[in-house]
Amino acid sequence: DAMVIQNPRYQVTQFGKPVTLSCSQTLNHNVMYWYQQKSSQAPKLLFHYYDKDFNNEADTPDNFQSRRPNTSFCFLDIRSPGLGDAAMYLCATSRDIPYGTGILEQYFGPGTRLTVT
Amino acid sequence: DAKTTQPNSMESNEEEPVHLPCNHSTISGTDYIHWYRQLPSQGPEYVIHGLTSNVNNRMASLAIAEDRKSSTLILHRATLRDAAVYYCILRDVRAGNMLTFGGGTRLMVKP
Repeated sequence: DAMVIQNPRYQVTQFGKPVTLSCSQTLNHNVMYWYQQKSSQAPKLLFHYYDKDFNNEADTPDNFQSRRPNTSFCFLDIRSPGLGDAAMYLCATSRDIPYGTGILEQYFGPGTRLTVT
Repeated sequence: DAKTTQPNSMESNEEEPVHLPCNHSTISGTDYIHWYRQLPSQGPEYVIHGLTSNVNNRMASLAIAEDRKSSTLILHRATLRDAAVYYCILRDVRAGNMLTFGGGTRLMVKP
């Protein structure tokens, strides 16, 4: 089955120690997203890619970076994790839909739960 | 983005219908109503979307008020597997491939 895969499902890192979360997809979608979801909150978009074009949300901290080496893979790098960065990180994909199209179906991975000690 | 208002939580009995409300009084003509749900320990998944007319698919039905200021997601027979957080999202067709998740409604299903 075509899907969005996130590894690892659980990640523990130390305060200030860089960490990378991975996402891969077999859907061949050209748009990929990273969301942060803190406990009991809604997912919050950090950034997204249209192919290789990177789009950062205005309020995403500089501490968060991303790389997309090819269509299938996308990485989230947290340069110096703080305790406040503990959260579920969700990767999603979608087709690049034409302007004016109503439906936007995003496909989400299961998430990586990050713990900062 | 136009905002949505949903109850924080709702309860339902298994095998009974569930009506999940969403208010979006500031909806614009270019906003499509989307519903996503997030099962425990999973990422969100698309449920249904609509513009003006009521919509049905294999997962649910979407009833949209005539003035479009509110909508209701209908699960015809709730199962334990439907226990999830349900998000009502307005998506402006001019905004590209973007979704902004609001608070959502946590649905609990009792056996």
